[in-house]
Amino acid sequence: DAKTTQPTSMDCAEGRAANLPCNHSTISGNEYVYWYRQIHSQGPQYIIHGLKNNETNEMASLIITEDRKSSTLILPHATLRDTAVYYCIVRVKAAGNKLTFGGGTRVLVKP
Amino acid sequence: GAVVSQHPSRVICKSGTSVKIECRSLDFQATTMFWYRQFPKQSLMLMATSNEGSKATYEQGVEKDKFLINHASLTLSTLTVTSAHPEDSSFYICSARSYDTGELFFGEGSRLTVL
Repeated sequence: DAKTTQPTSMDCAEGRAANLPCNHSTISGNEYVYWYRQIHSQGPQYIIHGLKNNETNEMASLIITEDRKSSTLILPHATLRDTAVYYCIVRVKAAGNKLTFGGGTRVLVKP
Repeated sequence: GAVVSQHPSRVICKSGTSVKIECRSLDFQATTMFWYRQFPKQSLMLMATSNEGSKATYEQGVEKDKFLINHASLTLSTLTVTSAHPEDSSFYICSARSYDTGELFFGEGSRLTVL
């Protein structure tokens, strides 16, 4: 799986949008971009994934650049409960394909 | 959404004993499950990949005789930490891959403390 690069940490204000960047310059054509988050002492929670097109669900939006070398996860209205470590992962959606975690971005939402 | 359950969520044991952690996919079949370990303030580290009905594949540096993995059915995988020592204290997390969709879902994690 291609490697990803994320900022180590970031703060954001409650109620504002949080934009989390991720670089994946070596991504292959058949690799998807996945985002998970991990709230303290819990298992990772799936947020969203995409291949080429921008995606939106009830939790977040995912913006993927046209060359697919980077993406941004957007939490439209951050709440205190969004404080977590956010992981950007690229992987092939194939049988047995494992998920390898990098360092992630530690997001602190402040009141 | 799909649910993966781990049991126990917390376990404390004495050094030298063995501990078994279960990972169940509650509403889907999982041909593949993954076991991770996470130390404080660190990321998840993949330990092994388990496929139903076959031997697990361990990542480099993970002792297969120390961490026994059994994936006997399409909804259950177990991780047994044998002869546990304090350095095995960690947060163990499983993930299950849906046979139907290919998506991965994570359990809530099991915190092991070895005294």
